[in-house]
Amino acid sequence: DVKVTQSSRYLVKRTGEKVFLECVQDMDHENMFWYRQDPGLGLRLIYFSYDVKMKEKGDIPEGYSVSREKKERFSLILESASTNQTSMYLCATSGGNSPLHFGNGTRLTVT
Amino acid sequence: GENVEQHPSTLSVQEGDSAVIKCTYSDSASNYFPWYKQELGKRPQLIIDIRSNVGEKKDQRIAVTLNKTAKHFSLHITETQPEDSAVYFCAASIGGSYIPTFGRGTSLIVHP
Repeated sequence: DVKVTQSSRYLVKRTGEKVFLECVQDMDHENMFWYRQDPGLGLRLIYFSYDVKMKEKGDIPEGYSVSREKKERFSLILESASTNQTSMYLCATSGGNSPLHFGNGTRLTVT
Repeated sequence: GENVEQHPSTLSVQEGDSAVIKCTYSDSASNYFPWYKQELGKRPQLIIDIRSNVGEKKDQRIAVTLNKTAKHFSLHITETQPEDSAVYFCAASIGGSYIPTFGRGTSLIVHP
């Protein structure tokens, strides 16, 4: 069974702080994704990566960056957190054109 | 890029009734259509998927149908139970790509 682990379940940060959200997978999947989930807006893709050190912008990359130094780890970085980045963040992986496997999510509150 | 529309946004049924959620997609090159269920406070999980070389797929009480000509696909849940209450997301991805485009989700409420 695929395991996708997000380091924090809940996180509270202050405006302007630099925030790191970590995601680790154990299935040697090439593709990793970061989504943001907000009520009524569904799942919106922030960034994705199809290989180590490779990254591509999704639909809403503004205010975010990512890092993938190792195949199993994909980090989402909020360079300067703002209140409109308060949201649920979901990491996911896949091994090609196949189902996504999601982590449990990190609920981030920026005050 | 691909665009996926999902309806309705909320669906309320009585236990034992059937529920149908519909999605349309824009790019005829899409060939993989998964459905995810997200229970309250939990991660989305795949419940059923279909590829464009088949028109229908069933798994116990759930089924998915695909109409490639009309570019729409639907999730059917029969004999609904309270534990079916969740948010359901449809998605579509284009052949050769691994990036699904999601619908906005349907909140299904099954009343006992």
